[in-house]
Amino acid sequence: EPEVTQTPSHQVTQMGQEVILRCVPISNHLYFYWYRQILGQKVEFLVSFYNNEISEKSEIFDDQFSVERPDGSNFTLKIRSTKLEDSAMYFCASSEAPSGNSPLHFGNGTRLTVT
Amino acid sequence: GDSVTQMEGPVTLSEEAFLTINCTYTATGYPSLFWYVQYPGEGLQLLLKATKADDKGSNKGFEATYRKETTSFHLEKGSVQVSDSAVYFCALRGRRALTFGSGTRLQVQP
Repeated sequence: EPEVTQTPSHQVTQMGQEVILRCVPISNHLYFYWYRQILGQKVEFLVSFYNNEISEKSEIFDDQFSVERPDGSNFTLKIRSTKLEDSAMYFCASSEAPSGNSPLHFGNGTRLTVT
Repeated sequence: GDSVTQMEGPVTLSEEAFLTINCTYTATGYPSLFWYVQYPGEGLQLLLKATKADDKGSNKGFEATYRKETTSFHLEKGSVQVSDSAVYFCALRGRRALTFGSGTRLQVQP
């Protein structure tokens, strides 16, 4: 079964550094998402992306965050200047359609540790 | 806005016990409802879904029925196994992106 793949599985960075988290969505999916899960807490929506633009974002997704689909397969999340509170598991997801009938398929996540 | 409330964990059961994890939701319109499972060290996997009232989603012995009148989508399994130990997330999807509950950790003891 096709799956969403994320790299790296674990990223350690110093506060203030830029990080890029990478994702390869399922190939025939058109809608892409980033979520995060701070340790022991709820899975939170960050952003959704379709047709090369952001379709929705949460209040968490401030100017420090950006997303990009640089080529036909990758979908990236960039954090410009990391803060300690950005430490979390970041999940990429994709779906065939935006509607409720189309479930999101998630990758295994990238654990980001900011020191 | 949309929200999902799950029972707090951890839920600790013996093998072959009956499982219920409660989930209620608040949403405008007619959302689709999902259960996702997160095994230790892994990502989120779709367990089952229901897209309209009275639908029953089922997979791997787990079931959940979309109850519009009680705005609930409780997860049940008749006989749990040690391998079911994981965190279970109830979620809804309306117009906006997927909204998750806080997760319920299930621990099944042999």
